[in-house]
Amino acid sequence: GEDVEQSLFLSVREGDSSVINCTYTDSSSTYLYWYKQEPGAGLQLLTYIFSNMDMKQDQRLTVLLNKKDKHLSLRIADTQTGDSAIYFCAESLEQAGTALIFGKGTTLSVSS
Amino acid sequence: EPEVTQTPSHQVTQMGQEVILRCVPISNHLYFYWYRQILGQKVEFLVSFYNNEISEKSEIFDDQFSVERPDGSNFTLKIRSTKLEDSAMYFCASTGTETQYFGPGTRLLVL
Repeated sequence: GEDVEQSLFLSVREGDSSVINCTYTDSSSTYLYWYKQEPGAGLQLLTYIFSNMDMKQDQRLTVLLNKKDKHLSLRIADTQTGDSAIYFCAESLEQAGTALIFGKGTTLSVSS
Repeated sequence: EPEVTQTPSHQVTQMGQEVILRCVPISNHLYFYWYRQILGQKVEFLVSFYNNEISEKSEIFDDQFSVERPDGSNFTLKIRSTKLEDSAMYFCASTGTETQYFGPGTRLLVL
């Protein structure tokens, strides 16, 4: 069945770049997402990429998709202490109406 | 900016009791969802709802669960007879034509 895997922890220093990786198994996934969860808060959509794209950039965020290897990454440039959170990778077959399949989340810790 | 809201933020209940979790989706959205996250585990899909009926559900969403849109704004998840293993964070989400926007969650603790 569908599965999404992420590494559980990442620790970086403030000002460095962070790269959070994700692999998925369903080759028919159409949309891939990154959500951020701060302590006690809900899931905040950061960005998403359509499966026919290789890259998407949005300010400090860069998403890379390697569809052949079913590998998705999120790069955060100039990481700040406010970026400390759990980052979830998710996939779905369609943009609206279908379930998101989530990874377990990567806890990003940013030290000053 | 419009957002999904959920009440209560926390609920403690006794095993076997019924609970109703409430959500107010973003007003012009058409699809509504419930997910849950057991502590330390993945966020799991429970059910999606469109045009006043369930459009998709997972195997977690058994006969103990039901969803309802009782009026034009609320979307509820009912657990008829709670079990210890229902303890989790429950997230509501809604979609217009694009991505799913999530509420802050209700933390349910079953004792």
